[in-house]
Amino acid sequence: GAVVSQHPSRVICKSGTSVKIECRSLDFQATTMFWYRQFPKQSLMLMATSNEGSKATYEQGVEKDKFLINHASLTLSTLTVTSAHPEDSSFYICSARDHRGQTDTQYFGPGTRLTVL
Amino acid sequence: AQTVTQSQPEMSVQEAETVTLSCTYDTSESDYYLFWYKQPPSRQMILVIRQEAYKQQNATENRFSVNFQKAAKSFSLKISDSQLGDAAMYFCAYRSFIRGAQKLVFGQGTRLTINP
Repeated sequence: GAVVSQHPSRVICKSGTSVKIECRSLDFQATTMFWYRQFPKQSLMLMATSNEGSKATYEQGVEKDKFLINHASLTLSTLTVTSAHPEDSSFYICSARDHRGQTDTQYFGPGTRLTVL
Repeated sequence: AQTVTQSQPEMSVQEAETVTLSCTYDTSESDYYLFWYKQPPSRQMILVIRQEAYKQQNATENRFSVNFQKAAKSFSLKISDSQLGDAAMYFCAYRSFIRGAQKLVFGQGTRLTINP
C-alpha cells in the first residue's frame, strides 16, 4: 500500500502559540489530502479536505481561520493550529487519496498528538 | 446524507477462532465504496479491505473477508484464525462513487480484543 508520513508525532505547546503539522505522501502524488481529528475512544471526525493548488474545503463547524490548511505541492499538506488553546488538544490524523489506476483509496498518516498547556 | 452504524462497541474472540464485526449503512446511491480500516494501539489507520458496491463478489484479503449484502445495506467483516495482532479498533467506512466525492463516512468503531 501507499505510505503517508506525518510530522511531528507528538507536540506540546503553550496556550496562544501556533503549531504546524505536516502530512506527506511518500511514494505517490496526492492531489487531495484530508485532515481528521480524533477524540479518545471516538471515531474520526473530518475537519477539511485539502486540494493541491486551491483552498481547502472545511466541514461545518470547523473554524478555517483557526485551522489553516495549505496544500502547496502534490506530496505535502500542512495543518496549522493558530493560537492554540487547551481545548484544541487532540489527535490529528491526515490521509492522502491515492487514485492511481483502479485504486482510489485513502491512506492514513500515523497521527499527531497535540497537547496544549 | 450517508450514515454508517457499527452496533458493537466491543467484541472479543479467542485466538485462532473466527469473529464477525457488523456494519450497516444508509444511502440512496447505487454505486459506492465500502472499507474496513483497523486502528491498533499505535493509532495508525490501516486499510484492511475494500469493496466496490457494483461487484457482487465479496472481497477477500487473506484471513479477512466481507459479507456484502447490498439490499440489506450490510457490510460485515469476518476475521478467520484470529491472531493477537488483530487486536484493534475496527472502523467501517463509506465513500460515494460520485465523481469528485471523496469524503469517507466512518462508523463509530468496534474494539476487538483477542484472548490468548
